[in-house]
Amino acid sequence: KNQVEQSPQSLIILEGKNCTLQCNYTVSPFSNLRWYKQDTGRGPVSLTIMTFSENTKSNGRYTATLDADTKQSSLHITASQLSDSASYICVVTFSGGYNKLIFGAGTRLAVHP
Amino acid sequence: GAVVSQHPSRVICKSGTSVKIECRSLDFQATTMFWYRQFPKKSLMLMATSNEGSKATYEQGVEKDKFLINHASLTLSTLTVTSAHPEDSSFYICSAKGTSGTREQYFGPGTRLTVT
Repeated sequence: KNQVEQSPQSLIILEGKNCTLQCNYTVSPFSNLRWYKQDTGRGPVSLTIMTFSENTKSNGRYTATLDADTKQSSLHITASQLSDSASYICVVTFSGGYNKLIFGAGTRLAVHP
Repeated sequence: GAVVSQHPSRVICKSGTSVKIECRSLDFQATTMFWYRQFPKKSLMLMATSNEGSKATYEQGVEKDKFLINHASLTLSTLTVTSAHPEDSSFYICSAKGTSGTREQYFGPGTRLTVT
């Protein structure tokens, strides 16, 4: 079954600290993996997108890694800011069926001052 | 960057009435648009895929007569929730896939529907 699992479910960190969010997937065949940031009451905004041949991709203070062999990805946030408080969703594209997106449940991150 | 808008952003309606939500791609043409539903603290759940000029494809368990989708042009898709019930209250998000380039999906800001 094609699934995307994220951990932790929620996370609280202090402003300025770093954190790493995890994503494991069983989607096959796999086209690409995306990380999205979703603010409360808003639509998801793309942070990074990686194909199976890419190991890392950065976008400012966000760095995503991908290990296609173990089917694991991580999103590292450096020097967190209060505005980083949001849900972070890992999304894997299933290339076997019209490029359907398989969503993880997300990690809710709260950055406290 | 590509922008997708939704209107309205919030709507409150009474049980039994119908409500229409619009999804527009503002600066690109989208042959395919997607409609998602999101419950509190849950991830997005795909409801249906709409292609311009053809009937929408609904996911299993989604009633096509309840959630009417019309993809009238390359920049507009609408979702009509018919005979709304309180359990239809949710956050509805659309996304649009471009016709060229990376064919990335761009998400709208969402519409909060409350049925009283």
